[in-house]
Amino acid sequence: GNSVTQMEGPVTLSEEAFLTINCTYTATGYPSLFWYVQYPGEGLQLLLKATKADDKGSNKGFEATYRKETTSFHLEKGSVQVSDSAVYFCALSDRGQGAQKLVFGQGTRLTINP
Amino acid sequence: NAGVTQTPKFRILKIGQSMTLQCTQDMNHNYMYWYRQDPGMGLKLIYYSVGAGITDKGEVPNGYNVSRSTTEDFPLRLELAAPSQTSVYFCASSQIVTGIGYNEQFFGPGTRLTVL
Repeated sequence: GNSVTQMEGPVTLSEEAFLTINCTYTATGYPSLFWYVQYPGEGLQLLLKATKADDKGSNKGFEATYRKETTSFHLEKGSVQVSDSAVYFCALSDRGQGAQKLVFGQGTRLTINP
Repeated sequence: NAGVTQTPKFRILKIGQSMTLQCTQDMNHNYMYWYRQDPGMGLKLIYYSVGAGITDKGEVPNGYNVSRSTTEDFPLRLELAAPSQTSVYFCASSQIVTGIGYNEQFFGPGTRLTVL
């Protein structure tokens, strides 16, 4: 079955540092890939997505590229801020327009110190 | 728009008790989902619904029941609560968007349930 593996957390960085959170996946076919973010006390929000190979998703300075050859979707940001402190989830779903059963990684807790 | 709302925010149950977690969305979405999030783990799908009157099992349905009598509401029922059901429960909804290969799920704030 489909699965997602994220780098182990927690991750602690200083403000303006470069961020990478690794994500690899196992799937049959060609899934859609997502990064969700969960701020303290809130539900998950979609951060960015990519629906086919070599697509780059981007939002709020974060980027991730759908790499089919390495089955990866690593999240990057060039200069993190304190407000980026949150838990980040990589996820996938089968492509299509119907109900999407998301498969999540275990999440990576990111803390940014001023 | 309130989006997806869930009640209660917190609940403590004794083993064997039952309860219903409420979920309501005001975006007229067809699809609704229930997930559970265990500590240090990703979310796992419990049940989902593609419209009023239609529900189906996800990855971890045992010990739960759902119903969908309206577009807006998707309650999750726990019968005979067990300590293994201690978790944070998230409801989500999404809508069909043609031609783009995915539909964004919108999540509620969660219900933290402890079974003692």
